[in-house]
Amino acid sequence: GEEVAQTPKHLVRGEGQKAKLYCAPIKGHSYVFWYQQVLKNEFKFLISFQNENVFDETGMPKERFSAKCLPNSPCSLEIQATKLEDSAVYFCASSHGGLNSPLHFGNGTRLTVT
Amino acid sequence: DAKTTQPTSMDCAEGRAANLPCNHSTISGNEYVYWYRQIHSQGPQYIIHGLKNNETNEMASLIITEDRKSSTLILPHATLRDTAVYYCIVRVAVRYIFGTGTRLKVLA
Repeated sequence: GEEVAQTPKHLVRGEGQKAKLYCAPIKGHSYVFWYQQVLKNEFKFLISFQNENVFDETGMPKERFSAKCLPNSPCSLEIQATKLEDSAVYFCASSHGGLNSPLHFGNGTRLTVT
Repeated sequence: DAKTTQPTSMDCAEGRAANLPCNHSTISGNEYVYWYRQIHSQGPQYIIHGLKNNETNEMASLIITEDRKSSTLILPHATLRDTAVYYCIVRVAVRYIFGTGTRLKVLA
């Protein structure tokens, strides 16, 4: 598709429950990125993929967060045993990866942990 | 990694040019500067990017100083719909490092 599609738009989970977020990148884009926006302005990088391979995972909290990008499937970000502080908007973005290739963002998934 | 600093907020009168500054004093020679904006809580929208030369597109102009330590995004005729948070981002290889953004309010 021509847009990055993120589902669901909103997700509510009780503390300790699992949350799974999905992202379909733009067709032909080989890089996928996940960002977490907790406060209104601050974007925290989580992880990036080059095709189905993890490219950079330096931002991922290793204990409860995991992510995958499998062929012919939407990418996913999973949070096991959610905590209140995981409440945030999670954005996915994709790009060609070339030097002149901007990120194209989806509209995010708002996760609320109660 | 190079970091960016931006003013927290700015106001601009409708119809006037909005000039948004960004400092990236630790930028390296092969690192691009990108600008995005976020309207309400939507996904960030790409505006423009550059390496050394000034750039212009249908949305904005980007002026990068000769030493590349700072840049300015110019919206030539701001409208109410340009009210948003504007992010200056340094791209390091395939990492995009966000600053904290400038909240631009365009006033009628």
